[in-house]
Amino acid sequence: DQQVKQNSPSLSVQEGRISILNCDYTNSMFDYFLWYKKYPAEGPTFLISISSIKDKNEDGRFTVFLNKSAKHLSLHIVPSQPGDSAVYFCATMDSNYQLIWGAGTKLIIKP
Amino acid sequence: DTGVSQNPRHKITKRGQNVTFRCDPISEHNRLYWYRQTLGQGPEFLTYFQNEAQLEKSRLLSDRFSAERPKGSFSTLEIQRTEQGDSAMYLCASSLRTESSYEQYFGPGTRLTVT
Repeated sequence: DQQVKQNSPSLSVQEGRISILNCDYTNSMFDYFLWYKKYPAEGPTFLISISSIKDKNEDGRFTVFLNKSAKHLSLHIVPSQPGDSAVYFCATMDSNYQLIWGAGTKLIIKP
Repeated sequence: DTGVSQNPRHKITKRGQNVTFRCDPISEHNRLYWYRQTLGQGPEFLTYFQNEAQLEKSRLLSDRFSAERPKGSFSTLEIQRTEQGDSAMYLCASSLRTESSYEQYFGPGTRLTVT
């Protein structure tokens, strides 16, 4: 039973436009969420995180939004650049500080 | 480069052989994690250490798997009597637990292929 779901296996966006990656979770007790980016043959790279006491966190071109009532979060990248093409993972942390991951969304930025 | 390093990057072995992977975390990080990732999935937690103590083990970690972190520095993950189902990317991560930060930083992974 997946506790973190990324329902879009892939997403294609034009360079310069906004990329929106979505993530849903099942357990309302989860209170910390992270986004990672992964290039082929590399380990995941931390991008941005958000605590449940906030509904938005911004870092440069990356913004994460959290909707606790819907158990949904999203990552916005604007403007999208070719180097953003990668697999993006949403993750949350359980009570033992272990990361629980979604299956990932492959983002393709078209020139 | 002071990030997390893993060795080897690739390992091909025959079924039934033993393999050992090494992870060197970021030096000031006190927590070290092992994950396994298969194609099309997110990483799955295997085990983690706080300093030299192994505090948590997933039920995915069968008796053939053992991990150590002597002296709270580098860690090794050993798989005995490898099976084809062990083929995966093995990822190591480290973190410095603070009140406001939980981020884990990952190494490049070791890709294991069992033939």
